[in-house]
Amino acid sequence: DAGVIQSPRHEVTEMGQEVTLRCKPISGHNSLFWYRQTMMRGLELLIYFNNNVPIDDSGMPEDRFSAKMPNASFSTLKIQPSEPRDSAVYFCASSALDTQYFGPGTRLTVL
Amino acid sequence: GDSVTQMEGPVTLSEEAFLTINCTYTATGYPSLFWYVQYPGEGLQLLLKATKADDKGSNKGFEATYRKETTSFHLEKGSVQVSDSAVYFCALSEMGSGNTGKLIFGQGTTLQVKP
Repeated sequence: DAGVIQSPRHEVTEMGQEVTLRCKPISGHNSLFWYRQTMMRGLELLIYFNNNVPIDDSGMPEDRFSAKMPNASFSTLKIQPSEPRDSAVYFCASSALDTQYFGPGTRLTVL
Repeated sequence: GDSVTQMEGPVTLSEEAFLTINCTYTATGYPSLFWYVQYPGEGLQLLLKATKADDKGSNKGFEATYRKETTSFHLEKGSVQVSDSAVYFCALSEMGSGNTGKLIFGQGTTLQVKP
């Protein structure tokens, strides 16, 4: 099993640009989670999906953030326009029951 | 709502010392409890879990026992190594989430082990 796959692993962009982060969950898992981790705020749940349907997006910081899950094997998190305060490590995780499996993360730097 | 509280870090120990990281929780019902570990530059990895009261989860020399009477799930290891240096997260499964796998995480405790 390849585990949860995230791309890109590192992203450096300039303020105002659109950023798209990608995630491929573990095959057979029916829930997918997007987290953000910073030194100041720790680990924050942004949004999660169950059977490709968004269940709770209350953690999404603002309208600049959006997430989609068009099928069971792919999800995106988009930031448009990006701002320096969005700099963080973004993790995707998937689960089949109560155990989540995390991807390696995408380190985003917005200049 | 459900919540998890961990002891403040960082915890600094010498190699071969005994480790305890405290974790207490507040929850309705009987959640599953977890410890995740995050090594530098990596994502979180499941370290151990327990699904019901009095269960003991164990892995790589780490142990934690689900204590319903004290609502605790403290992480212990008898002899730490430098390679155990990492951030440790306690978590519980949110009840009533329809088995979606949503977890409530504590704030994380940084462990530094010195040779």
